[in-house]
Amino acid sequence: DTAVSQTPKYLVTQMGNDKSIKCEQNLGHDTMYWYKQDSKKFLKIMFSYNNKELIINETVPNRFSPKSPDKAHLNLHINSLELGDSAVYFCASSHPPAPEAFFGQGTRLTVV
Amino acid sequence: QQQVKQSPQSLIVQKGGISIINCAYENTAFDYFPWYQQFPGKGPALLIAIRPDVSEKKEGRFTISFNKSAKQFSLHIMDSQPGDSATYFCAASIGYGGATNKLIFGTGTLLAVQP
Repeated sequence: DTAVSQTPKYLVTQMGNDKSIKCEQNLGHDTMYWYKQDSKKFLKIMFSYNNKELIINETVPNRFSPKSPDKAHLNLHINSLELGDSAVYFCASSHPPAPEAFFGQGTRLTVV
Repeated sequence: QQQVKQSPQSLIVQKGGISIINCAYENTAFDYFPWYQQFPGKGPALLIAIRPDVSEKKEGRFTISFNKSAKQFSLHIMDSQPGDSATYFCAASIGYGGATNKLIFGTGTLLAVQP
């Protein structure tokens, strides 16, 4: 039973399109995250939600809008996709104050 | 101040050898230091972690050494195996009032263990 699951695993789309990535966790955690891994494999936090409330927004362009319908789900909607948005996006969850974060398998987004 | 520097960028080790990856940080507010292992096409998986009040933690073949005064920590993989070949990331965590934690990652080390 997958702990943190993301869909889709792969996403290829054209510039200017709008796309969404979905994430669900069954760990009972209160906090969920989106991390971005670029082509050099560098991992950087984008957003963090605690119990549906946005806590961290790491100066991500407004085209990226996370939404958390409940504490087990965190979706990422991206408007007007650009070539530079191509990356692997990882969802993660944790149960603060315990700092251990558990990651999903990632969504590889390719913008052409 | 929120950077974590990791070296080497890549590492080749013979089977049975010791793999050593080093990381350094500046921000003394970091309170948790995990290492993640990532295989191609997979998400980062938590391998081992340490708190700054402990100088060493060992789990099986994996050991973290932590030097608080030098603001450095390292991962040692003893008896390295081909199955350990992966990218390893160190990270440092900072808490946000108990609501969330932010992980700052190092740049990663690609480890290849040769049979």
